Amino acid sequence: DVKVTQSSRYLVKRTGEKVFLECVQDMDHENMFWYRQDPGLGLRLIYFSYDVKMKEKGDIPEGYSVSREKKERFSLILESASTNQTSMYLCASTLRGLEADTQYFGPGTRLTVL
Amino acid sequence: GNSVTQMEGPVTLSEEAFLTINCTYTATGYPSLFWYVQYPGEGLQLLLKATKADDKGSNKGFEATYRKETTSFHLEKGSVQVSDSAVYFCALSDSWSGSEKLVFGKGMKLTVNP
Repeated sequence: DVKVTQSSRYLVKRTGEKVFLECVQDMDHENMFWYRQDPGLGLRLIYFSYDVKMKEKGDIPEGYSVSREKKERFSLILESASTNQTSMYLCASTLRGLEADTQYFGPGTRLTVL
Repeated sequence: GNSVTQMEGPVTLSEEAFLTINCTYTATGYPSLFWYVQYPGEGLQLLLKATKADDKGSNKGFEATYRKETTSFHLEKGSVQVSDSAVYFCALSDSWSGSEKLVFGKGMKLTVNP
């Protein structure tokens, strides 16, 4: 089975802190994604990556950056956390090709910025 | 651009009731359509999918049929159980453009009471 893990289930940070959210997948997937999930807004794509060192902006990239130095790991970075970044963050991965559209999700990180 | 509109709820049903969750979409090209489910405290997982018009996806007693003429992919289950309590997301991918991103609806929270 595909396994996508995220470094923390719950995280509390202060305004202005630099925050790293880590995601690791164990199935050699090429594509990885970061979403945030908010009540009434569903899932919104922040960034995605098709390959190592490659990144593309999603729908709401402002205030975030990403890093993909190894195929299995995709990091989301909040350079200076703000209260409006309090949210649930979900990582996902998928193969490329015919099965590319079936995404596998991690359990999520609930981030609170005080 | 591509979009998904689904019932948002929340919805509360009694065990063994019939469930329908409406989902309609707007897309260019030939999207694949999905239903994802998020159980409490977990990430999303694929429930079912359909890749072309008139396909029926099914899993765990849930069904959805890809209706191109009405641009719909409604989710149904004949008899819900308490264990079906979750948030349900409709989603599409635009395989024509080669995009491997998914566009999600806002999700619908279902609670099933015994």
